[in-house]
This record gives sequence, structure tokens and C-alpha cells, in this order.
Amino acid sequence: GEDVEQSLFLSVREGDSSVINCTYTDSSSTYLYWYKQEPGAGLQLLTYIFSNMDMKQDQRLTVLLNKKDKHLSLRIADTQTGDSAIYFCAEKEYGNKLVFGAGTILRVKS
Amino acid sequence: DAGVIQSPRHEVTEMGQEVTLRCKPISGHDYLFWYRQTMMRGLELLIYFNNNVPIDDSGMPEDRFSAKMPNASFSTLKIQPSEPRDSAVYFCASSLTGSDGYTFGSGTRLTVV
Repeated sequence: GEDVEQSLFLSVREGDSSVINCTYTDSSSTYLYWYKQEPGAGLQLLTYIFSNMDMKQDQRLTVLLNKKDKHLSLRIADTQTGDSAIYFCAEKEYGNKLVFGAGTILRVKS
Repeated sequence: DAGVIQSPRHEVTEMGQEVTLRCKPISGHDYLFWYRQTMMRGLELLIYFNNNVPIDDSGMPEDRFSAKMPNASFSTLKIQPSEPRDSAVYFCASSLTGSDGYTFGSGTRLTVV
């Protein structure tokens, strides 16, 4: 199957911006997603972007897509302690199957 | 809507026993997915259904695992016999179109001793 890769860990100070990066390999992916997982909970869909878009903004979240480099990023502005969680990047494969990265642990220091 | 509902939240069982995990998707969602999450392997898709029909079960580890969806509002994942390596968090998710992202349940943490 295709691989989705993410860095393992990111630590930021409260109030700073966080940027979580992801690379994917399936150039035919039509949708790419960001999910958030808090301890003991399921994954929560944060946002998704269609492959014909370069950028999508939703309040404090900005998604950037570079199709040429197969690179996806999630920027969280004014990061808060409540943003501490694991963030997963996912790509939609053939059919309706989502393939997830291993997740990036975001730690926000107050 | 109550979201995707999974039961039980936690299950501890002895090796060799049968385990049944349950899922109620969001009403009106045509797609249902079963994922398994472990530290070593991350999130793995086991099987998914569209309109109650299994579409892709290539992720089911072996014959010990089986999944059913007898109607649009209920699915089960069964492991028989269970083994310690099956210990993981099992998530059910549902989706309206398949492209609009999934809504996940809270998961079932399975421990096989």
C-alpha cells in the first residue's frame, strides 16, 4: 500500500504557531485529511482538502498542499494547551479507504 | 446525533476465548469501517462496508477475524479464538459518502491475557 509519513514529535510554547508536516506517496489521492486524537478517545476530523486546492483555512487551522512534492502541512495559529494531542495525516486511496500516517505528538508548553 | 457508538469500551479476555465488538454507525451513513490501532503498527484498516456489503476485507489479519453488518445500524467484529497479539484498540468509523471523512467511535480497548 501507499505510505504516509509524519514526524514523530513537536513541542511548542503556548501562543506560538505549530506546523505539522506530512508526506504522502499516492499522486492520485483526491482528498487529504487531518485528524486529532486526544488520550483515550477516537480520532476527530479537523479538516480536509481536495487535491485541486493549494490552501484551506478554517479559523486557527491552515492546510497547505504541495502536490508536486506530495507534501501536506497543518498550521495551528495561537496554539493552546488544549491543542496537545496526536495529529494524523491521511490520504484517500482507491475506493474509500483512508491510509493514515503514524501520527505526530504535539506538546504545548504553558 | 449520538455519533458512532461502540461497545464495550474495554474488554479483557483470556486467550482462546471468543470476543465480539459492536458498532452502531451514524444514521444515514452508507459506509462503515473497522480499524485497529497499536503502538507498533499504527492505524490499520481491517474491513469496510458500503450499504451493509463488505467491500474490502484485505486487512483482516486471518481467519480468526470476521465482521458482519446485518443491517444499516449495526456491525460486529468477532475474534475467535483470541490471542494476546490481538490486544489493541479497535475503532469503528462511519461516513456519509466515503470522501467527506470519517466519524470515529471512541474505540474498544481489547486486552487478551
